[in-house]
Amino acid sequence: SQQGEEDPQALSIQEGENATMNCSYKTSINNLQWYRQNSGRGLVHLILIRSNEREKHSGRLRVTLDTSKKSSSLLITASRAADTASYFCATVNTGTASKLTFGTGTRLQVTL
Amino acid sequence: NAGVTQTPKFRVLKTGQSMTLLCAQDMNHEYMYWYRQDPGMGLRLIHYSVGEGTTAKGEVPDGYNVSRLKKQNFLLGLESAAPSQTSVYFCASRLGSSGRSYEQYFGPGTRLTVT
Repeated sequence: SQQGEEDPQALSIQEGENATMNCSYKTSINNLQWYRQNSGRGLVHLILIRSNEREKHSGRLRVTLDTSKKSSSLLITASRAADTASYFCATVNTGTASKLTFGTGTRLQVTL
Repeated sequence: NAGVTQTPKFRVLKTGQSMTLLCAQDMNHEYMYWYRQDPGMGLRLIHYSVGEGTTAKGEVPDGYNVSRLKKQNFLLGLESAAPSQTSVYFCASRLGSSGRSYEQYFGPGTRLTVT
């Protein structure tokens, strides 16, 4: 079964605006990751946040994790047309360290 | 480095036919994975391997078999294709348990249609 559920399913913003995507999960995790998928391509790893971390930054990306609410958010600041893609959260659950469980994804459209 | 490659990129099968999808990685990764991606459902794990000669079932293993005879290759087989197996298939690899590296590297995908 799908672990992560993402919200919203689709998001359309203008270039320069910030984009926020949310992910909820159901069980205890070791870490949570975000991936990007451009249309027709494979997934690319963006950022990983461990269960004992609350916030992490990488360039224009900011990820937060609230383990008490079993939720995470991905913020992309100053978005660009090239950020148009689908974004997926994925969890490594406690006790199943070899596997990732993916959410259903958020489709982000950044227009000029 | 080529990273993770998948063969073929596209394939059309008739119901009941068989085929094998090949995944290869040149990063000396221990772990390898096969996923399928269907519209609106994200990625679902079919089978995975944590080392040469090992395989394990994922979330949706029925109708598929896998083999990992060489560390760099992970094969996904469909013995008798069904229309429900129409999907995009992704292979991924990961360094392994050493170094606590959890990041997965994905191939470009194989688009399979079963008629």
